[in-house]
Amino acid sequence: AQSVSQHNHHVILSEAASLELGCNYSYGGTVNLFWYVQYPGQHLQLLLKYFSGDPLVKGIKGFEAEFIKSKFSFNLRKPSVQWSDTAEYFCAVISEYGNKLVFGAGTILRVKS
Amino acid sequence: GAGVSQSPRYKVAKRGQDVALRCDPISGHVSLFWYQQALGQGPEFLTYFQNEAQLDKSGLPSDRFFAERPEGSVSTLKIQRTQQEDSAVYLCASSLVVKQTNNYGYTFGSGTRLTVV
Repeated sequence: AQSVSQHNHHVILSEAASLELGCNYSYGGTVNLFWYVQYPGQHLQLLLKYFSGDPLVKGIKGFEAEFIKSKFSFNLRKPSVQWSDTAEYFCAVISEYGNKLVFGAGTILRVKS
Repeated sequence: GAGVSQSPRYKVAKRGQDVALRCDPISGHVSLFWYQQALGQGPEFLTYFQNEAQLDKSGLPSDRFFAERPEGSVSTLKIQRTQQEDSAVYLCASSLVVKQTNNYGYTFGSGTRLTVV
């Protein structure tokens, strides 16, 4: 069965600091990878997704993620965070044969102004 | 509507009570999913519909959980004889297509927060 591991449950950064959130998945075949964000009181929103092609994916709000197949990783990055990036971030995977998302436990990011 | 609508937004149930949670997907969306998100956890898959057909219910935790989508649009998740461990946020998501491609994805609702006391 697929699983997703997010390394940090809580991250606290100051504004303008760089962000990297780790995500590893376990599945040997072809996968589609996602990062979702949930702002306080709001629904899950798609940040970015990888299906094929360039392993460096750019998403909304200056976020990007890099798919490294050999490491089964899909880490999320942002060069300079803002206070408004305070939210919970979820990594998720779908196998090539499935259509249900498998989520990690989430990382709560707090950005101090 | 413009998004996935779930109701009620909050539900408090006494242990043993039956509850029904409603999901209105985006019009025309074929796929509909239910997820359960416990406190401090990521969403976990419960069940999947393709139109009115329930194709996967492998995530339903017990036979107290039942979902339906009789006309292929609105879906209802019913929990019978609620227990404290059922307390969670129940998320609904819909998708235009059956198989994910680079052009499409899920749209999530805001969820129903169920508290069983």
